[in-house]
Amino acid sequence: EAGVAQSPRYKIIEKRQSVAFWCNPISGHATLYWYQQILGQGPKLLIQFQNNGVVDDSQLPKDRFSAERLKGVDSTLKIQPAKLEDSAVYLCASSFYRGNTEAFFGQGTRLTVV
Amino acid sequence: GDSVTQMEGPVTLSEEAFLTINCTYTATGYPSLFWYVQYPGEGLQLLLKATKADDKGSNKGFEATYRKETTSFHLEKGSVQVSDSAVYFCALSDILNTGNQFYFGTGTSLTVIP
Repeated sequence: EAGVAQSPRYKIIEKRQSVAFWCNPISGHATLYWYQQILGQGPKLLIQFQNNGVVDDSQLPKDRFSAERLKGVDSTLKIQPAKLEDSAVYLCASSFYRGNTEAFFGQGTRLTVV
Repeated sequence: GDSVTQMEGPVTLSEEAFLTINCTYTATGYPSLFWYVQYPGEGLQLLLKATKADDKGSNKGFEATYRKETTSFHLEKGSVQVSDSAVYFCALSDILNTGNQFYFGTGTSLTVIP
């Protein structure tokens, strides 16, 4: 079974530039998550989708971050414009929405804003 | 709201030593509890889980028991190996109350020396 796919693995941009990350979840997983993991910290939820609807985006900085999951499958997270404090690993995860099943994580995208 | 408090690190042990990483949780409902492991440069991998009180999760020599009376889910291993060096995250999810959102602790870094 293929895992959660993310791209790119690494990205370096200058502040005020824009960047986009892509995620393809495990086939059949209705729930998709984007997490931000700052060095030395635990993952922080940015947004959670159920199919193509948003379940929770309360911690998404909506003035600069946006995310979509148009067909209920793959998803894109965008940052525009980026700030230095956005430097982090962005993790995508998916889960099968039946009971308290585990979330499966991709390898993440390491973003460096200079 | 729901949260996880995890023992701070870093933790350094000699090979074959006994490992305990403490984790306590706060939840309004009946969450499932997880331990995830993150190797350098990788995403999070599920190590073990427990879905109800008194359940014991186990994998690769690691164990954790879901203790509702002490709201704890401590991770243990009887004899650690160099290959266990990683960051360990305790997490919970509660599909009934928070729509299967995952809450993570801050992580505990483990280094095992030969």
